[in-house]
Formats: sequence, structure tokens, C-alpha cells
Amino acid sequence: QSVLTQPPSVSGAPGQRVTISCTGSSSNIGARYDVHWYQQLPGTAPKLLIYGSTYRPSGVPDRFSGSKSGTSASLAITGLQAEDEADYYCQSYDSSLSGWVFGGGTKLTVL
Amino acid sequence: QITLKESGPTLVKPTQTLTLTCTFSGFSLSTSGMGVGWIRQPPGKALEWLALIYWNDDKRYSPSLKSRLTITKDTSKNQVVLTMTNMDPVDTATYYCAHSCSSGYYCFDYWGQGTLVTVSS
Repeated sequence: QSVLTQPPSVSGAPGQRVTISCTGSSSNIGARYDVHWYQQLPGTAPKLLIYGSTYRPSGVPDRFSGSKSGTSASLAITGLQAEDEADYYCQSYDSSLSGWVFGGGTKLTVL
Repeated sequence: QITLKESGPTLVKPTQTLTLTCTFSGFSLSTSGMGVGWIRQPPGKALEWLALIYWNDDKRYSPSLKSRLTITKDTSKNQVVLTMTNMDPVDTATYYCAHSCSSGYYCFDYWGQGTLVTVSS
């Protein structure tokens, strides 16, 4: 059972907008630790997609955006493309565990 | 350009000790702020953080696995080594090493390709 909670799956048609939620607690997201998002394409290593809750590393399209409020965070993907089909993970730091924590992952299906 | 690569056995027997090496380039673990972590992913399951070592030899471990893990660094070789004792079939996973984000962010910005470790007799 992951410390951060994500929906197991989301889906959307090409061109649409989808969001993926990430719910934590007062010892991680609620403690004002940033949330980070990773994209994992099939058979590959995770790739940092969003860091510091809202920032995109160089090379990440602006179709991807992140937000955070209270003990939750969200990843939004606009203009959905077939190549976006992947697993997405949120991650933060937990002060009670004194360590890095991940969500259970969300599989995005592009219909 | 930062790159990392994991190496180690692909198959270990139950109760054995696993030793994985992360060889990296593009940064030095003697530079202030640098860190390298280990994360694993069982087949079809989620990512799980295991351990992290900083440039100043500060070491952090997952509380649930702390008794079984040891992380060390060899700055001269640009390597980080993770050992995990008493391996069990549930430890079968792809093990990744990753570069810790700088500027105070608790994330991982560069990842190795991962190495699949199977625990079986």
C-alpha cells in the first residue's frame, strides 16, 4: 500500500484533457513538501516530468502541468496524444518516514 | 550529460545477499548537494524508494528495509553500491539508481536503465 494515493487508471481520447490526482497526508504533501511526477513508458525507466509541484524540466512539453493544494496534487495533460500512453507516478518526501515516497501509479490509456 | 548504469547479478538465491553497483558520469559525488538513490519496481507494481547517499556521506534508508540495506559510495570510481541481505522472492524487481535533484528538491532527475533481479532457488 503506497503512502501517496493515485487512481489506478485514467483514459481519454486524443486531443482531450485528463488529470491524475495524488493524495497524501500531513506528513508529506500537507507538510509543504513538493510533489514530483514521473512518466514511465512501457519497458523503460521513469522520466521526471514535473518537479517542485509545478515546474517542467527542459524538454517536457507544456501540455503537462502540475498543481498542489493542501494534502493533494494533480497532473494535467492537455491535447492528449497517443505517445502519452504510459504509467504516471507522483512522489514526495515524508517527514514521518524520513524518506522519499511514491504513489501507486496511474495507467493512462489514450482511446 | 548525466548518465547512470546499474550492474549486478540477475539471479540470486533466497537468503543470499544482493550487491548492486551504480556507475555514473556527468557529476561528482564529492560536489556539495549531490546524491544518488536506489529505487525498485517489482514486475507490474509501483516504484519503491530504498536508499540514498549524499556527497557528505549522509545516508538515508527506507524504514521498512533499513535493517537489510547498506549504501556506500566510492567517489574516485564514480560508483554507489547497494547491498541487500537475506533476499526473498518478494524482492524480485527491477532496481534503478537515480541522481537526486539539486536545489533542495527531493526528486530524482536522471535514472539508470534499471537491472532486473530475480530471487529464486
